Amino acid sequence: KNEVEQSPQNLTAQEGEFITINCSYSVGISALHWLQQHPGGGIVSLFMLSSGKKKHGRLIATINIQEKHSSLHITASHPRDSAVYICAARSGGGADGLTFGKGTHLIIQP
Amino acid sequence: DAGVIQSPRHEVTEMGQEVTLRCKPISGHDYLFWYRQTMMRGLELLIYFNNNVPIDDSGMPEDRFSAKMPNASFSTLKIQPSEPRDSAVYFCASSLSTAGGLIQFFGPGTRLTVL
Repeated sequence: KNEVEQSPQNLTAQEGEFITINCSYSVGISALHWLQQHPGGGIVSLFMLSSGKKKHGRLIATINIQEKHSSLHITASHPRDSAVYICAARSGGGADGLTFGKGTHLIIQP
Repeated sequence: DAGVIQSPRHEVTEMGQEVTLRCKPISGHDYLFWYRQTMMRGLELLIYFNNNVPIDDSGMPEDRFSAKMPNASFSTLKIQPSEPRDSAVYFCASSLSTAGGLIQFFGPGTRLTVL
C-alpha cells in the first residue's frame, strides 16, 4: 500500500508570501492529486498530474516521478487561500481510489 | 450540473441503529467513490464502483458496512449496526474515465454522529 506523507502539517504565513507544500509517496503511481478542503469541509480538486508541472492562476503543482515527490506552490498568497491542502496518490492504471496524505493546514494572515 | 449530491448532510443516531447514506453522482460519470474522513485517520477510501459494479471494497472496515449502486445515478452506504467509532464525515465522489484523466468531484459530505 502506498504511504503518502505531507509536510508541513501546519503552516502560517503572511499575505503575499510564496507558499510551498510538499508531498512524498512510497510506491510508483499513475497520478497524483492535489485537493483543497475549505473550512466548511467542502473538497475541491485542484490538480491531477502524472508528470512535469501544471499551473492554474496562482497555483503551481510539480511532480518528480523518479524522486516520488510533488510540490504545491502558491504565489502571492492571500487570506482566502487559507484551507487544508491534501495530496493523494493513485497507484493503479485504472481509476483506483486515492490514498491520502494527512493534509497541510495553511493559514494566511492579512 | 448540480454536482455530486449527498444526503443527509447531517445524521445523528444512537449506537445500534441502521444508518443509510445516499449519493447521486454527476450525470454521465462512470466511477463512484465512497470516502471517510476522521481527525485521527484523515481521508480513507472505503469502496469504489465502475459502471455500477464494485471494483475494490478492501477499505470497508468490517461487515457492518455495505455499499450498493443499483443504477448509474444512485449509490448507498449502509452501516448496520452503527457504533460510536463510525462517527466521521463520509464523502462521495464521482469521475469520468476520459483520456483527460480521472479528476474526482466530491460531494459536500455527510457528517455522521453515532451516540
